Amino acid sequence: QQKVQQSPESLIVPEGGMASLNCTFSDRNSQYFWWYRQHSGEGPKALMSIFSNGDKKEGRFTAHLNKASLHVSLHIKDSQPSDSALYFCAVLSGGNYKPTFGKGTSLVVHP
Amino acid sequence: EAAVTQSPRSKVAVTGGKVTLSCHQTNNHDYMYWYRQDTGHGLRLIHYSYVADSTEKGDIPDGYKASRPSQENFSLILELASLSQTAVYFCASSESSYEQYFGPGTRLTVL
Repeated sequence: QQKVQQSPESLIVPEGGMASLNCTFSDRNSQYFWWYRQHSGEGPKALMSIFSNGDKKEGRFTAHLNKASLHVSLHIKDSQPSDSALYFCAVLSGGNYKPTFGKGTSLVVHP
Repeated sequence: EAAVTQSPRSKVAVTGGKVTLSCHQTNNHDYMYWYRQDTGHGLRLIHYSYVADSTEKGDIPDGYKASRPSQENFSLILELASLSQTAVYFCASSESSYEQYFGPGTRLTVL
């Protein structure tokens, strides 16, 4: 059964700083990787996806995938207080429509 | 924009009572999911469905039933609510392995 672990559990960064979130998975057949963000009192919303090894950049957000190392990460550049939220990593294997979520990383960006 | 709505938004139930949580999507997505969120556990999959009139067990199905009477509607049923089922419940829809669209959540308290 797929296991997805996220680290750190919580992270505090200053405004304008870099936040780095990590996610490891256990199934080498994993193909689809998503990052979700959940603000307090709301449902999670998809932030970005990455399906191929390497980097994918969208604005201040960069995802990195290394399937051989079973590792995916999210880096937030120039962090803003509005980035304060719970971040989830979600992993899916090909042909399996059951995503597995990590337990999340709580990010606090202080002004 | 894709939309998933849930009702009720909050509910207080008594131990041993029956609870039905409802979800409606206007995305025309085939896949629908029920998750529960507890502090420290992230999002855990209870049941999911990929077609009307069919449901599948997720990772933590015990104590829950699901019903998908149409493509748009997906219900989660707690026949005999227990204290341990106090949590926030999220419904989501998606198209195969793509982005999941979450509803706003239902906060369930079992007393």
